[in-house]
Amino acid sequence: AQSVTQPDIHITVSEGASLELRCNYSYGATPYLFWYVQSPGQGLQLLLKYFSGDTLVQGIKGFEAEFKRSQSSFNLRKPSVHWSDAAEYFCAVVSGGSYIPTFGRGTSLIVHP
Amino acid sequence: SQTIHQWPATLVQPVGSPLSLECTVEGTSNPNLYWYRQAAGRGLQLLFYSVGIGQISSEVPQNLSASRPQDRQFILSSKKLLLSDSGFYLCAWSRDRGRYGYTFGSGTRLTVV
Repeated sequence: AQSVTQPDIHITVSEGASLELRCNYSYGATPYLFWYVQSPGQGLQLLLKYFSGDTLVQGIKGFEAEFKRSQSSFNLRKPSVHWSDAAEYFCAVVSGGSYIPTFGRGTSLIVHP
Repeated sequence: SQTIHQWPATLVQPVGSPLSLECTVEGTSNPNLYWYRQAAGRGLQLLFYSVGIGQISSEVPQNLSASRPQDRQFILSSKKLLLSDSGFYLCAWSRDRGRYGYTFGSGTRLTVV
């Protein structure tokens, strides 16, 4: 069964600092990988996705993520965080012939001024 | 363009009362539809998914049920609400195993009192 691990429950960064949110998945083949962001009381918004090809994918709001097969990871990065980036971030995976995404527990990003 | 509508946004219901949450998708046909629940400070729990009219799969046995009376309509119901049904309910849709991502509605905050 597919699984997703986001090891960091909370991350605190200063505005302007760089950010990396970790995501590891458990599945033999290359899955479809996603990052979503959720503001309080809102639905989830897709930041970026990876299916195949270039392992570095660019998303909205200045985010990028890198797929590393050897590490089964799909970490989200941003070079300079803005206060408006404070939110909950979810990594998700779809594998094999499934069409059901499995979500990680989420990482709460806190941005200090 | 495709849009997803979910309502109501907020709902306060007494224990033992019925529930009906509705989700509709516009601008696409034969979408895969999903109901998720998100408890406070936790990740997303898949409740139901549907790949076609009248086809409902349940992931977690519980006090809830789902129906898909039309291609782009997905309804979450309960005959008698429990306190434990409180949470944030999210509807989502996808096509082609999520190749275009999973698009979420804005959610319904349900409080059972």
